[in-house]
Amino acid sequence: EIVLTQSPGTLSLSPGERGSLSCRASESLRSTHIAWYQQKPGQAPTLLLFGASNRATGVPDRFSGSGSGTDFTLTISRLEPEDFAVYYCQHYGGSTWTFGQGTKVEIK
Amino acid sequence: QVQLVQSGAEVRKPGSSVNISCKASGGPFSRHSISWVRQAPGQGLDWMGGIIPIFGTQHHAQKFQGRLTIITDESTKTGYMELRGLTSEDTAIYYCAKRGTYNDAFDLWGQGTMVTVTS
Repeated sequence: EIVLTQSPGTLSLSPGERGSLSCRASESLRSTHIAWYQQKPGQAPTLLLFGASNRATGVPDRFSGSGSGTDFTLTISRLEPEDFAVYYCQHYGGSTWTFGQGTKVEIK
Repeated sequence: QVQLVQSGAEVRKPGSSVNISCKASGGPFSRHSISWVRQAPGQGLDWMGGIIPIFGTQHHAQKFQGRLTIITDESTKTGYMELRGLTSEDTAIYYCAKRGTYNDAFDLWGQGTMVTVTS
């Protein structure tokens, strides 16, 4: 069973700063099967990136993704007030999906 | 543009079952894989299982094997998730989510259904 470990658990940043969120897999994965989601309090998650680096419709270009093998990264180039939320990585494994435990991006 | 609308909050006793619906509107349904994801209070996302309506093939996470059933009714464009043998640990928000047409991510989510298991 693939395990996704996200770090850090909490990232404290100020608006305008750059944020990098890590997602490490327990084994090497195809980047095409990696996605990132954003979840704000009281709301359902929304898709940010699929295929590790492809932005979903309507996602601002300050969100970018990279990585391969076991290490994947979500980068927010300049944090806007609406970006403070919890972020999850996800892997698709044939007929099952796995989520990381999440990284909370909070206002410093 | 497909939207997913879930049924309302439920309160159940331990040992009972819960059935949640997820109705798709505004677009095709049968070719989209629908999954169920839950989120316990203050916790992360947990994929439970999924189904491809046109094939009716279910896939479940190991931890839910034996007590989870996912079905769809194509005539009403509605998916259903039944979880049996409820315990307090099943208290969570349950989401349905649609797999993308051209990718494996969940590009659309229902609004969530709160299930509380309490004696």
